[in-house]
Amino acid sequence: ETGVTQTPRHLVMGMTNKKSLKCEQHLGHNAMYWYKQSAKKPLELMFVYNFKEQTENNSVPSRFSPECPNSSHLFLHLHTLQPEDSALYLCASSQPPGAGDTDTQYFGPGTRLTVL
Amino acid sequence: AQTVTQSQPEMSVQEAETVTLSCTYDTSESDYYLFWYKQPPSRQMILVIRQEAYKQQNATENRFSVNFQKAAKSFSLKISDSQLGDAAMYFCAYRSFQGAQKLVFGQGTRLTINP
Repeated sequence: ETGVTQTPRHLVMGMTNKKSLKCEQHLGHNAMYWYKQSAKKPLELMFVYNFKEQTENNSVPSRFSPECPNSSHLFLHLHTLQPEDSALYLCASSQPPGAGDTDTQYFGPGTRLTVL
Repeated sequence: AQTVTQSQPEMSVQEAETVTLSCTYDTSESDYYLFWYKQPPSRQMILVIRQEAYKQQNATENRFSVNFQKAAKSFSLKISDSQLGDAAMYFCAYRSFQGAQKLVFGQGTRLTINP
């Protein structure tokens, strides 16, 4: 596989469920990101990891819990979500800033999440 | 905080024609990056073009070019010889040169190509 992959592509869950989204990048990058794309709002950053360390949290509710075990993998653990959390969740990767053109962010295909 | 505005929710163009998508932004920073991303129905966000604010020369990538007007804080995308595969949502995005890594996106413009 090449680029940035995300699984699952679609997920339907109840408000009491616990599920996880997975992202994997095959680009040799050291920075990874979670973005949320809702129907009526612009894409918004949720979390940033550099070299496995979380460096940005954009005031995301604690029902979203990210995990970055290594520079190639990023997870988003979900629990007790609300219907308004239904959205497309996009993962991206890049080199950290200052690395020239390689700090451009490359995106995965997203996970379409529906919370019932 | 930086903001990005795309004032055209939808645009359409005839195949083989040229279309320009508008983007304006607001920032107090002097150095930054601007991007155009394309999101086709497959949902994959694909980089179209990148512009560094300190470069006066407008970026080009094959049929895609930008008109970067720094003083006016304007960053429009021109697509020449439009093809059916260009149909997608197009997002303009801003990123600071230093500090925060987040991309600030506009609301998007849906581009339709008429055969």
